Amino acid sequence: DAGVIQSPRHEVTEMGQEVTLRCKPISGHNSLFWYRQTMMRGLELLIYFNNNVPIDDSGMPEDRFSAKMPNASFSTLKIQPSEPRDSAVYFCASSLRLAGVETQYFGPGTRLLVL
Amino acid sequence: KQEVTQIPAALSVPEGENLVLNCSFTDSAIYNLQWFRQDPGKGLTSLLLIQSSQREQTSGRLNASLDKSSGRSTLYIAASQPGDSATYLCAVGGGGSYIPTFGRGTSLIVHP
Repeated sequence: DAGVIQSPRHEVTEMGQEVTLRCKPISGHNSLFWYRQTMMRGLELLIYFNNNVPIDDSGMPEDRFSAKMPNASFSTLKIQPSEPRDSAVYFCASSLRLAGVETQYFGPGTRLLVL
Repeated sequence: KQEVTQIPAALSVPEGENLVLNCSFTDSAIYNLQWFRQDPGKGLTSLLLIQSSQREQTSGRLNASLDKSSGRSTLYIAASQPGDSATYLCAVGGGGSYIPTFGRGTSLIVHP
């Protein structure tokens, strides 16, 4: 398997623009996580899907952020409108709970810079 | 709310030293604890996963221990090498589902 795939790898945009980040989890995994990492706040969980259903979105900063998982092989994180404080690295991770063991596998991340 | 603390925040050691990274958590009702490695500009790579019923896990030169009662985990790296230089994060999963809380990480530099 190619692992968790994220696109784009880098994104530079201007304040107010819409940004869409994409994630393809590992085939067969049933959980998907979106994280944001900054120097100031470390790694923060934004939203967690299980079997394509959002289970916990309490980490989503505000209404400007939205996430979808239309099927088991694809998820998007959208920011509209974007602001400079959204600049961060956004990671997608997937996992499969098997016999009580659940290991997360991370994608390479999308580095977002909002000017 | 679970809080995870990693000490030290940064560590610089000469090659060959054995070293210990610490992770502490406030709520002992955990599901599991996972140690990750993050290289600069990269994503996180899972190193070791310890279930709540386990006391330790080993992989090569790495050994992770878990003491739920005291809310602590340690990652032991034997005979450190320059290639071990990275940031090491621990993540604690708790409650009825695995929603992990991450520490801020320990940035390790192993110099030749």
